Amino acid sequence: QQQVKQSPQSLIVQKGGISIINCAYENTAFDYFPWYQQFPGKGPALLIAIRPDVSEKKEGRFTISFNKSAKQFSLHIMDSQPGDSATYFCAASKMDSGYALNFGKGTSLLVTP
Amino acid sequence: NAGVTQTPKFQVLKTGQSMTLQCAQDMNHNSMYWYRQDPGMGLRLIYYSASEGTTDKGEVPNGYNVSRLNKREFSLRLESAAPSQTSVYFCASSEDNEETQYFGPGTRLLVL
Repeated sequence: QQQVKQSPQSLIVQKGGISIINCAYENTAFDYFPWYQQFPGKGPALLIAIRPDVSEKKEGRFTISFNKSAKQFSLHIMDSQPGDSATYFCAASKMDSGYALNFGKGTSLLVTP
Repeated sequence: NAGVTQTPKFQVLKTGQSMTLQCAQDMNHNSMYWYRQDPGMGLRLIYYSASEGTTDKGEVPNGYNVSRLNKREFSLRLESAAPSQTSVYFCASSEDNEETQYFGPGTRLLVL
């Protein structure tokens, strides 16, 4: 069963716009929530990550918002660029399973010029 | 520093054939992982190894075996391939107590 639910499945945003991808989880034992970016034909690469004791983390144009009580977290991409067009995966993991990742199903983002 | 390498890049098998997917990392990481990626399913964990000599099942271990040959290498074996195992397989590694996983380029497997 999918432990992390991700939406939307696909997203089209104009250049300069804000891209928002949402994820929800059930297992309160999760203590690490990363986002991975994947380009066609490549392996995923870590984009940004957050722990549940923090409500927001920002790195450049990428921000994670985390709502522990709602068991939800989201990725915001500000000033979206065509080079951001990729598939984005949220994930969750916990220390007692070696931080093995439980991935969402992914969001295919297309940023149009 | 090559990071995580996987061989082969692409393989076609017939149902019932066996093969081993190879993974190696040169970052001196203790933890290694095997995932499979299917369209619309995200990545799902097959097996992982928290340290040399240990392995644990993930979400979808059936039909697979793994070997942590040494600290650098973690192989995935399909003993009798089935069409349902057609997928892209990714190996990843991470440092002890370090959550960041570094992924290899993947092996694309087609089982006919």
